[in-house]
Amino acid sequence: NAGVTQTPKFRILKIGQSMTLQCTQDMNHNYMYWYRQDPGMGLKLIYYSVGAGITDKGEVPNGYNVSRSTTEDFPLRLELAAPSQTSVYFCASSRVAGKYEQYFGPGTRLTVT
Amino acid sequence: QQQVKQSPQSLIVQKGGISIINCAYENTAFDYFPWYQQFPGKGPALLIAIRPDVSEKKEGRFTISFNKSAKQFSLHIMDSQPGDSATYFCAASGYNQGGKLIFGQGTELSVKP
Repeated sequence: NAGVTQTPKFRILKIGQSMTLQCTQDMNHNYMYWYRQDPGMGLKLIYYSVGAGITDKGEVPNGYNVSRSTTEDFPLRLELAAPSQTSVYFCASSRVAGKYEQYFGPGTRLTVT
Repeated sequence: QQQVKQSPQSLIVQKGGISIINCAYENTAFDYFPWYQQFPGKGPALLIAIRPDVSEKKEGRFTISFNKSAKQFSLHIMDSQPGDSATYFCAASGYNQGGKLIFGQGTELSVKP
């Protein structure tokens, strides 16, 4: 099993550009999550999904959108990129919510200039 | 609102020493408390977790101490090794969080040889 994979690893965007961060898991997990990590701020939840076709906002959803058409894939869309979206983005999945281990991908480092 | 507060932000320990990282939470509905370990350039990975029905859980050199009345829990790393140098995150979850993990701010641990 590859676990949780993310692409790309690095990306530089200009202000106002858009992009999609890809996330795929091969563990047949129902729950998937997108986090952003900023220095000294921990991990902040952007969006999460409890299954195909079901998504909900996390703590910091503004400027982002998600979709979940399959169990395996959970892409994160950035529209009109802003410097405040410069961060490291992690996708994670879990078998059952809350009390069970979340498996994280290797992250995408995004810079918006 | 920061529901999980972690300290210190950074920690330097000599090889063989004890590393202690503390977390405090506010929400009494939290009932699952994991610690995640993150090496540079990697995603976080579950290290150890505890539920509030026990006061301590030990796995090898890693121990979680839990104080329900004080709403605090801590990670102790015994005989710290340079390979333990990483960022550590505490987290919490509960039935009123919809299964989401709330992370602390993180502690960057450096173990000197």
